[in-house]
Amino acid sequence: AQKVTQAQTEISVVEKEDVTLDCVYETRDTTYYLFWYKQPPSGELVFLIRRNSFDEQNEISGRYSWNFQKSTSSFNFTITASQVVDSAVYFCALSERTGNQFYFGTGTSLTVIP
Amino acid sequence: GAVVSQHPSWVICKSGTSVKIECRSLDFQATTMFWYRQFPKQSLMLMATSNEGSKATYEQGVEKDKFLINHASLTLSTLTVTSAHPEDSSFYICSANLDSLYGSNQPQHFGDGTRLSIL
Repeated sequence: AQKVTQAQTEISVVEKEDVTLDCVYETRDTTYYLFWYKQPPSGELVFLIRRNSFDEQNEISGRYSWNFQKSTSSFNFTITASQVVDSAVYFCALSERTGNQFYFGTGTSLTVIP
Repeated sequence: GAVVSQHPSWVICKSGTSVKIECRSLDFQATTMFWYRQFPKQSLMLMATSNEGSKATYEQGVEKDKFLINHASLTLSTLTVTSAHPEDSSFYICSANLDSLYGSNQPQHFGDGTRLSIL
């Protein structure tokens, strides 16, 4: 079973629009960690955020914000006032207490149109 | 700056060649490193977990004789794709934890990846 689901394969928005990338996860662990990474065309993974399972506070960092809801097992990512430089593939990932590996979602390809 | 260095960043070689990819942790020791593979427009899939001083743990469906992993020191893990064929062409990424004893509580750092193209 897929542990991390990103239902949106591709999204296109016009510059300055807000966009939300969805992430739903599945785990039996009570302690786990959720991540978002950005992967530009060059391929490297750019770390955006890490959230542990005990911290449900939403977080805002500049134009980026994250909504973590354990009740729905979701960890959604919103970009406000999108810019062309935001165009990339975004991955949501889960890491469980037992073990160190990451489970990545299938990624959402975001295109911001100028 | 980068905390995990991966080399080379790009390899093009003929079918049948063996290719070695290095993953180094900079300024920290990593008893565990991870190797992922990413096919075009797909997600990152864990191939194997590299353990310093012991055998690597391979995920189901990954041929250990095909993808040789050596983790001989606390700062270096290598992945060798033996007798590579075009279907092995992919983007390979390694990662390392600062301290695996604490599980994923610590940040996991990714290398910049190696793009392998087999002709």
